[in-house]
This record gives sequence, structure tokens and C-alpha cells, in this order.
Amino acid sequence: DARVTQTPRHKVTEMGQEVTMRCQPILGHNTVFWYRQTMMQGLELLAYFRNRAPLDDSGMPKDRFSAEMPDATLATLKIQPSEPRDSAVYFCASGLVLDRGTEKLFFGSGTQLSVL
Amino acid sequence: QKEVEQNSGPLSVPEGAIASLNCTYSDRGSQSFFWYRQYSGKSPELIMFIYSNGDKEDGRFTAQLNKASQYVSLLIRDSQPSDSATYLCAVNINFNKFYFGSGTKLNVKP
Repeated sequence: DARVTQTPRHKVTEMGQEVTMRCQPILGHNTVFWYRQTMMQGLELLAYFRNRAPLDDSGMPKDRFSAEMPDATLATLKIQPSEPRDSAVYFCASGLVLDRGTEKLFFGSGTQLSVL
Repeated sequence: QKEVEQNSGPLSVPEGAIASLNCTYSDRGSQSFFWYRQYSGKSPELIMFIYSNGDKEDGRFTAQLNKASQYVSLLIRDSQPSDSATYLCAVNINFNKFYFGSGTKLNVKP
């Protein structure tokens, strides 16, 4: 049963520390999205990649966040330095292109991040 | 203005009733529309999607689009307590970005 794999599931860290979240998209999917979910803001689009190329990261605070896709099986989201306001659930989703050019997104289980 | 707006709810319906969920979108370039269900502490899962040219029925679920008014609805017939969750509306803009609403919480009372 193909699924998106995210690690770690939970991360507790102290303010100022570096945090790296990893995502393995479903084999054959060529699009990867990173979202952040909080009670106040809902699901916010941070960045997305198609065929490993970054297409848009305008939703991401550039001074501390970075997203990369070093190969087709791994996407990373890094926060350095982390701040308490970064506490949220971070979801990765990979996309399966349908006909007519649209996509279905499949979500990973998320990384629950707490920055103390 | 957010790309997708939803009433946060909660929407409460009795078991067996029809639950009606709605969202509005701002970009007329939106080509496809999705409904995701998210149980507490879990990740969103796709329920159904429609293109900009029509409605769709799948079992107890019906998704409808009103392009003129820029809103999308999800009807759940014969609601069950297991349908209690947060329902997220999403739009796909220009075959690239996916934007989600903040979700409507549905409670189905036995």
C-alpha cells in the first residue's frame, strides 16, 4: 500500500536549534508539497516541487526555512534557527497527475513540531 | 483575502440526516476542487474531487460547483457518526498550487 512517509513523527526542540523534517513521496509521484497546519491558520502552503525543481516557496519565511529535494525519493524541510512560533504540524504531500492536468494529493502522517 | 474560505463550524446534524458543507474560492482560474476529510490527530485524506465543468456523486457524497458564485459544496447523505471530522476544501489553481480552506468541523450525533 503506497504512502507518503514522513520522519520524525514528533520533534521537541529548544528555540534556536536546527530542525530537519524528511519526506519520502510515493514512488512515481512527481510533485511534492510542504504544508504547515495550526489551529489558527489551517493548512498553509509553504513550498512545492515538480520533478525535483522548486516551483514556489513564497509561503515560506526565507530567513529561517529552506526546502530541498536532493533526489526523487527524498524531500527535506529545514528550520534554522527554530522559534516557538514554528510549533505546528508539518505535512508533506505528494501528487499524482490526473488527466486534464490536475493532481490528487496524498498526505504523509505529519511531523508534530514543538519548539520550547 | 484567502484563496479558500470555509465556515469553521461546528456543524451538527443528527444521524441519518444530510450534512451540507460549503466553501468559497477567490481565484476564477481554479480548475479543480477537492474535498478532504481529516480526523483529529490524523492527516487529510481525499474524499472526492470535481473539475470545473460539473458535479459528481460518489456513494453518499455529492460535490457541486457553482462557478458564477465561486463556491463548492459537499453533501453527505445518511450521515453517520463516523463522518464526524473536519472537512477541508481545496482548489487547484493553474494546474500548480493547491490551496486549502481552514476546514469545517462536522459532528454527527447518534
